[in-house]
This record gives sequence, structure tokens and C-alpha cells, in this order.
Amino acid sequence: EPEVTQTPSHQVTQMGQEVILRCVPISNHLYFYWYRQILGQKVEFLVSFYNNEISEKSEIFDDQFSVERPDGSNFTLKIRSTKLEDSAMYFCASRDGTATEAFFGQGTRLTVV
Amino acid sequence: GENVEQHPSTLSVQEGDSAVIKCTYSDSASNYFPWYKQELGKRPQLIIDIRSNVGEKKDQRIAVTLNKTAKHFSLHITETQPEDSAVYFCAATFTSGTYKYIFGTGTRLKVLA
Repeated sequence: EPEVTQTPSHQVTQMGQEVILRCVPISNHLYFYWYRQILGQKVEFLVSFYNNEISEKSEIFDDQFSVERPDGSNFTLKIRSTKLEDSAMYFCASRDGTATEAFFGQGTRLTVV
Repeated sequence: GENVEQHPSTLSVQEGDSAVIKCTYSDSASNYFPWYKQELGKRPQLIIDIRSNVGEKKDQRIAVTLNKTAKHFSLHITETQPEDSAVYFCAATFTSGTYKYIFGTGTRLKVLA
């Protein structure tokens, strides 16, 4: 069964450093998302990406964040100048339509120290 | 605004009893409503979903009901087992942008043996 894969599974970084979280969505999917889950809280929408551009972003997704789909398979989330409060589990998801299941990756746990 | 409310936040039931979790959503045009089960440290896993053109869907011990007029939907788990213990999230697809999910705040279900 196809699945969304994310790397790394766990990333520890110093405050102020840049991190790149990587995702490989399911190959025929058209819509790509990043979500964030702070420990013990709900899953929060960050950004959606369609047709090679950002189609929507939340208030959380400020200038510190950026996304790319550099080669048609990978989908990356870059966080510049990380802050302690960026510590969370980051999930990538993809789907093939608008009223269909979104498939989630296993997540990257980001710890900013 | 875009919002999904979920109740209760915690739920304890005896093994074999039923559990019901309720959600309401704000976007009357939402057309897809998944339920996810999340075990500690793992990705959300889809357990059942419903589209807006049906009122009820059942899969073995799990069922979901949808009331479009009232904009609420519910998860029903019958004959609960200890392995049902987890955090359950409802979500609704919001029709602005690229149909992102907005998640509810989660329900921690404990099934007591």
C-alpha cells in the first residue's frame, strides 16, 4: 500500500538554527499539506500546496516558514531561525482529491533546545 | 471562522460499553468528515469517514452519523475493547483554499478492563 514518508523521524536543533523537514507524498496525489501537533494538543493546519504553489496558509505559517516541491517527488518544510515554541510533531499529508482521505506521514518530531 | 468543536475531551468507559464522541463544524459547505485514532507518538490513523451525501456509515464496531442541518457528526464505538484506548480526532474539510482539514481538539478515550 502506498504511503507518505517523512524524514527524519526526530530532529534536535539549537534555537536559531534552520531545519528542513522532508516528505515524499504518494505519487499520484495532487494536494499536499503540512500540519503541526504540539505535545498533547490537537493537529493544526500550517499550509496547503497545489499546482506547485502555496494555496493556503494559516496564521502560524509566518515568514519563518517556507515550503518547496523541488523535484516533483519531495515536499519540504523549512523553518528558519527556529524558536523553542516550534518544538512539535510535524506531519505531512497528501490526497488525490478534495473529498477524499488525506494520508499522513509518520511525522517528524522537532525538538528545539 | 473555521472551527471544529469536539466533546468530550476525555471519556472513560467500561469494556464492552459504547462510546460516543461528538463534533460540530462551522462551514456549511464542508463535504468530508474523517475520524482519526492516534496512539501515543504515532501518526493519526483514519478509522472511518463520511461524505456529506450520506447520513450514516458503519464499519463493524464503529459508526459515524452526520446531521448536515445541525452541522454535527458523531463517532459511535460499540463493544469497546482496551485496545480502543487512544486519542480520537474528528476533522472537517473546509472548502476555502484546498480543502484542508480542521481538526477537533481530540477525545482521550480510556476503556477500563
